[in-house]
Amino acid sequence: EDKVVQSPLSLVVHEGDTVTLNCSYEVTNFRSLLWYKQEKKAPTFLFMLTSSGIEKKSGRLSSILDNKELFSILNITATQTGDSAVYLCATRPDSWGKLQFGAGTQVVVTP
Amino acid sequence: DAGVTQSPTHLIKTRGQQVTLRCSPKSGHDTVSWYQQALGQGPQFIFQYYEEEERQRGNFPDRFSGHQFPNYSSELNVNALLLGDSALYLCASSALAIGNEQYFGPGTRLTVT
Repeated sequence: EDKVVQSPLSLVVHEGDTVTLNCSYEVTNFRSLLWYKQEKKAPTFLFMLTSSGIEKKSGRLSSILDNKELFSILNITATQTGDSAVYLCATRPDSWGKLQFGAGTQVVVTP
Repeated sequence: DAGVTQSPTHLIKTRGQQVTLRCSPKSGHDTVSWYQQALGQGPQFIFQYYEEEERQRGNFPDRFSGHQFPNYSSELNVNALLLGDSALYLCASSALAIGNEQYFGPGTRLTVT
């Protein structure tokens, strides 16, 4: 059975801290891994990773994929209260197929 | 540029009733996917529509059905509602021609009593 597992399930950090979120996967077919941020309702797209070892960056956020060990990491540096959200990772088996999500990591950033 | 829109925002139904949720994709997108997100869980794939046909389906019973219209908008229908159908229903649109990243709408919160 395909599965996507995120850890930790939740964490609380202080503003300015660095956060590392983990996503491991065991799926039959894999083409890409995606990260989303969900604050209230609509998940918003962060990154799509297809190649192992290539880091993607956007401001204070960065992510990398290891498709041999089957995991991805999302890093958030110099956290701000606006980073408080649920972070979701998902795998996609082909260029247009369904997303299979993990349960998410709840991040709370305190002032 | 309007993003993905969904209606209604919230809905309360009684067990056994039927419900229809609506989704308008982002401009330029031709593919619509529907997901169910229970509280504290990640979204679960229901099905995907492209060119007015169901292209892929997740592990959901036949009570869940859908439709895509020529303007690419879509509906999700759920019959014989169960208490366990209470969830946030998310619609995502994409277009293979432009990277096929899925953009999500704000969702419809369905409560079944």
